[in-house]
Amino acid sequence: GQSLEQPSEVTAVEGAIVQINCTYQTSGFYGLSWYQQHDGGAPTFLSYNALDGLEETGRFSSFLSRSDSYGYLLLQELQMKDSASYFCAVFSGGYNKLIFGAGTRLAVHP
Amino acid sequence: DADVTQTPRNRITKTGKRIMLECSQTKGHDRMYWYRQDPGLGLRLIYYSFDVKDINKGEISDGYSVSRQAQAKFSLSLESAIPNQTALYFCATSDPPGLAGGPAEETQYFGPGTRLLVL
Repeated sequence: GQSLEQPSEVTAVEGAIVQINCTYQTSGFYGLSWYQQHDGGAPTFLSYNALDGLEETGRFSSFLSRSDSYGYLLLQELQMKDSASYFCAVFSGGYNKLIFGAGTRLAVHP
Repeated sequence: DADVTQTPRNRITKTGKRIMLECSQTKGHDRMYWYRQDPGLGLRLIYYSFDVKDINKGEISDGYSVSRQAQAKFSLSLESAIPNQTALYFCATSDPPGLAGGPAEETQYFGPGTRLLVL
């Protein structure tokens, strides 16, 4: 089967750095995606890693280690607006669709 | 205008009623998906369609059916609603990853969601 594990909640202060981890089990792995969802809103795409290493997009970076079946999302210079839920997802070629983790709720405090 | 729209945005219905949730997209994508979201459970796939003639069950298709009326339209029906179908429902669209030898990336674009309450 396929499964993804991520922490349910993370708390941080404005200006800090936070890392949200994701471990996965899947067959036919192609890449790890991250989505952001604000309360009451729709999930929106943040990043995708197909190869090992770090991908940087502004204040957000995403990392993948295929050998460890592990990835993380790194958020720097946290802002209040970063308070949201963050989902990791694997694109599994065997199923041709994204499988989502349960999500990590990030609370940013002043 | 939004690229992916869902109607209705909110719906209250009674147990046993048949209801339909509709999704339309202007992105020109072939792939469309229906998910439900419950607190603490993330997004779970109900059905997906890779083109007008293709319909596939997802993780939790029991109690649901879908219709792909056109490339741009994908409807989800609850034939006889029950209270544990109370949830937030999202439609999503995507283009198929295009690189030969394996997918490069699949970005899904989500609609605003339909909040359904079954009494």
